Amino acid sequence: RKEVEQDPGPFNVPEGATVAFNCTYSNSASQSFFWYRQDCRKEPKLLMSVYSSGNEDGRFTAQLNRASQYISLLIRDSKLSDSATYLCVVNGGSQGNLIFGKGTKLSVKP
Amino acid sequence: NAGVTQTPKFQVLKTGQSMTLQCAQDMNHEYMSWYRQDPGMGLRLIHYSVGAGITDQGEVPNGYNVSRSTTEDFPLRLLSAAPSQTSVYFCASSYGASSYEQYFGPGTRLTVT
Repeated sequence: RKEVEQDPGPFNVPEGATVAFNCTYSNSASQSFFWYRQDCRKEPKLLMSVYSSGNEDGRFTAQLNRASQYISLLIRDSKLSDSATYLCVVNGGSQGNLIFGKGTKLSVKP
Repeated sequence: NAGVTQTPKFQVLKTGQSMTLQCAQDMNHEYMSWYRQDPGMGLRLIHYSVGAGITDQGEVPNGYNVSRSTTEDFPLRLLSAAPSQTSVYFCASSYGASSYEQYFGPGTRLTVT
């Protein structure tokens, strides 16, 4: 099992749609969880941290299920500007470093 | 603040050449790291540093050297470039290894022919 797995997509959705991304991780000792956003040919940027209690930031909601080793990101009322690749990130390398998933590509169409 | 800066933005090397990718940050972050990003592979950690004078290997260190003589700078050296090192290289910095937001530089696109 790969350390951090994501559905690669692409997800093609119309404006206003709700879209959900899933991510699984293999290291049960992982303690830190994030979603990063990466625009085409740009650097990754932090979208939000993921807490055990779940957290919401505007149209974005992140959930963590430690028992299933599963992280999700929900985007409501999609905008054209949400088009990007979303990276699931978990700590758990041999030195506690971050491990990046391969990303899920989202394309929001008019 | 400039954040994390990287130079050059683009580079073409011939097999066997060496070069240094520069990375600097002005946020007084102790932790700095280098990643490479290849299609279908995601970001992979090459080397990292937890402070000046301290460096360690990541997941894919072969063919690369680093040093950290100051808090601000973390150069990545390619010793003898190979086509397999064609990639996009990102430098990142943060307050810590895993619990803190990683700030990435704009990347260096390297092609080795």
